[in-house]
Amino acid sequence: DVKVTQSSRYLVKRTGEKVFLECVQDMDHENMFWYRQDPGLGLRLIYFSYDVKMKEKGDIPEGYSVSREKKERFSLILESASTNQTSMYLCASSLIGQGVSGYTFGSGTRLTVV
Amino acid sequence: KQEVTQIPAALSVPEGENLVLNCSFTDSAIYNLQWFRQDPGKGLTSLLLIQSSQREQTSGRLNASLDKSSGRSTLYIAASQPGDSATYLCAANYGGSQGNLIFGKGTKLSVKP
Repeated sequence: DVKVTQSSRYLVKRTGEKVFLECVQDMDHENMFWYRQDPGLGLRLIYFSYDVKMKEKGDIPEGYSVSREKKERFSLILESASTNQTSMYLCASSLIGQGVSGYTFGSGTRLTVV
Repeated sequence: KQEVTQIPAALSVPEGENLVLNCSFTDSAIYNLQWFRQDPGKGLTSLLLIQSSQREQTSGRLNASLDKSSGRSTLYIAASQPGDSATYLCAANYGGSQGNLIFGKGTKLSVKP
């Protein structure tokens, strides 16, 4: 069964810490995405990548950066965590050209910044 | 602006009932549309993907339709069960091969035993 794996289900971090959220997919997908999900606001795209070492800003990139050194791994970095970054973070991947695969999501990381 | 709307935001039905969830999108030039299920505190599970050239897709008790001209998609759930209780999200892909998804805010379904 194909998978997108997020390394942590729950994280608690302190304000000002540098936080790394890791995402790995085993489907050889070119595209990878990071979303955050908040009540009343739905899912919002933070960053995406369509190739190794490539990245594109989504709708809300401020306060975040990303790294994609290998095709299967896409990391989201909170340079200096703040309380307004408390949220559910979801990673997804998809094939270039989509075909019949659509998007596959990970199980999510619930981040709390205190 | 490309937007996706899901109405109602919440729905409660008795077990066994057939039901329809609605999704509308403002721009008919979609690449494809995908329906997801989300259980509380969990990630998204893909249910059905409809390409722009298709009218419907079926998986078990689920049937999704797509009408690009009217900007609508529906998810039909037959013979609902308590285990179907979850939030259902639809997402439109406008960006082609490298596009990202535009999500609706979901319909929270509760199926009562």
